[in-house]
Amino acid sequence: SQKIEQNSEALNIQEGKTATLTCNYTNYSPAYLQWYRQDPGRGPVFLLLIRENEKEKRKERLKVTFDTTLKQSLFHITASQPADSATYLCARRSGTYKYIFGTGTRLKVLA
Amino acid sequence: GAGVSQSPSNKVTEKGKDVELRCDPISGHTALYWYRQRLGQGLEFLIYFQGNSAPDKSGLPSDRFSAERTGESVSTLTIQRTQQEDSAVYLCASSPYTYGGETQYFGPGTRLLVL
Repeated sequence: SQKIEQNSEALNIQEGKTATLTCNYTNYSPAYLQWYRQDPGRGPVFLLLIRENEKEKRKERLKVTFDTTLKQSLFHITASQPADSATYLCARRSGTYKYIFGTGTRLKVLA
Repeated sequence: GAGVSQSPSNKVTEKGKDVELRCDPISGHTALYWYRQRLGQGLEFLIYFQGNSAPDKSGLPSDRFSAERTGESVSTLTIQRTQQEDSAVYLCASSPYTYGGETQYFGPGTRLLVL
């Protein structure tokens, strides 16, 4: 069965540094991967989508990569700020309609 | 414009009671998803609606769970004879696409506690 694996341990980094979060998937590569941000007590918010044929995608301070050989996506936040502290979720489609989400990685940016 | 809304925001019920959770998607969004998120866990897919039909109900954990959608808008998730393991946050999301709905817009969730 298809799985999404994210590091469940919290990631603490110093303000201004680059945060790198990892998403590993199993089985065949999906057509695209999605990254969401979730704050405590809130629903996830869509951040970025990267397609299978895209190696890298950027949006402001965010960068996502997609490596089909390693079956991995990396999510980077450059010049991190305390406001970036949240849980970041990776998701892929499984089958025609269903989505599988990882458990998320909690990021804490220290001032 | 208005986002996805869910009600109630919190629900406390006794084991064995039935509960109804409501989702109001973004107007015009044909795709609608229900997920369950247990404390400290990822999102668990429950059901997908395309318009008023549900082509994928594979995530419903038991026959105590059912969902419907009317008028291509409001959806209701019903849990009958609730059990303590049903305690979780139930999230609804909508998307403007039918097939391969990419960006999902989530509501704030309903926090269900079964005593």
